[in-house]
Amino acid sequence: DGGITQSPKYLFRKEGQNVTLSCEQNLNHDAMYWYRQDPGQGLRLIYYSQIVNDFQKGDIAEGYSVSREKKESFPLTVTSAQKNPTAFYLCASRGLSGANVLTFGAGSRLTVL
Amino acid sequence: AQSVTQPDIHITVSEGASLELRCNYSYGATPYLFWYVQSPGQGLQLLLKYFSGDTLVQGIKGFEAEFKRSQSSFNLRKPSVHWSDAAEYFCAVGERNNDMRFGAGTRLTVKP
Repeated sequence: DGGITQSPKYLFRKEGQNVTLSCEQNLNHDAMYWYRQDPGQGLRLIYYSQIVNDFQKGDIAEGYSVSREKKESFPLTVTSAQKNPTAFYLCASRGLSGANVLTFGAGSRLTVL
Repeated sequence: AQSVTQPDIHITVSEGASLELRCNYSYGATPYLFWYVQSPGQGLQLLLKYFSGDTLVQGIKGFEAEFKRSQSSFNLRKPSVHWSDAAEYFCAVGERNNDMRFGAGTRLTVKP
């Protein structure tokens, strides 16, 4: 079945370390997104990419970086510059030929110790 | 700028009772409107969407929503809630091929 795979499901990090969250999709979707979810704040857009080798900052891009070398993959790196990285991170994708319907992965929970 | 407001942070209903979750949006044109549901520790699943046409849309799991342009609202309803409906619900607004804005979410608790 087609879908989005996020890994790891749970990740612990010490302060000052960079970590990379994986997001892979086999839906042949062109656009991919990273959202951050904090209790009571809904989903906030970190980065998005509509085509390979191109991506744009969302509302809260500071302290994060992404790459889009392959259509299927859109990894997110949480750098040490992110001051409050503990959160639930959601990856999503969308086909550009259709309507604006996002398909989500199951999420990755990052905890900074 | 587009925005979404879900006025209710937490709602508790009894199993079998009806449910209405509120969503108000701010948008310059006719928006694309969505409701998603999220179980704890999981991703979001699309319940229903509105693009145009009939203002009453049906979704999965027995949910429906009504688009009211005059009130800038897109409230989610279900006639009879089941215990399995306990989850967090997100309203979202966007336009074609553009990023979406999500509300803060409404957490639904179902009492036996």
